[in-house]
Amino acid sequence: DAKTTQPPSMDCAEGRAANLPCNHSTISGNEYVYWYRQIHSQGPQYIIHGLKNNETNEMASLIITEDRKSSTLILPHATLRDTAVYYCIVRVEGGGSNYKLTFGKGTLLTVNP
Amino acid sequence: DARVTQTPRHKVTEMGQEVTMRCQPILGHNTVFWYRQTMMQGLELLAYFRNRAPLDDSGMPKDRFSAEMPDATLATLKIQPSEPRDSAVYFCASGLGHGGRTEAFFGQGTRLTVV
Repeated sequence: DAKTTQPPSMDCAEGRAANLPCNHSTISGNEYVYWYRQIHSQGPQYIIHGLKNNETNEMASLIITEDRKSSTLILPHATLRDTAVYYCIVRVEGGGSNYKLTFGKGTLLTVNP
Repeated sequence: DARVTQTPRHKVTEMGQEVTMRCQPILGHNTVFWYRQTMMQGLELLAYFRNRAPLDDSGMPKDRFSAEMPDATLATLKIQPSEPRDSAVYFCASGLGHGGRTEAFFGQGTRLTVV
């Protein structure tokens, strides 16, 4: 699976949009971008995933660049409860028996009042 | 509200003792993962199962760790003998491992302290 690069930490004001970047310059054509987050003392939580089109759900939006070498997770109106470590993961979707998710260091997002 | 259940939530044990951690995956999920999290190493995949069969346990120290799925509703991770370096939070996750989606649902974890 392709490696990802994320900033170690970011700050965001409550109520503002949080834009979390992820670089995955070695991504292959059949690899998806997944985002998870981990709130302190909890297990990781799935947020969203996509291949090349932008995706949106009730939690967030995922913007993938046309060359797919980077992506941005957008939390449109960050709240204090969004303070967490956000992980960007790139992996092959449904690749035979390979369903494992490999987590990096992630980005610690701190939402400030 | 379906969720992955892990027991115990906290475990303190002495070095050399056997530790068993249990996980009840979400009903109907056919893929189960075991992860270990420490400050130094972050989240490490230890093993995962598909339809109760182990697919990859390369992340697990074989001499002391073992993972099994006695049935579809129970996954276990055993450490025997335990060592202080095994102190970590152990997460179990389950998912539907077919076709498109690979979102994994994580439990709350078992915080293990080996003294």
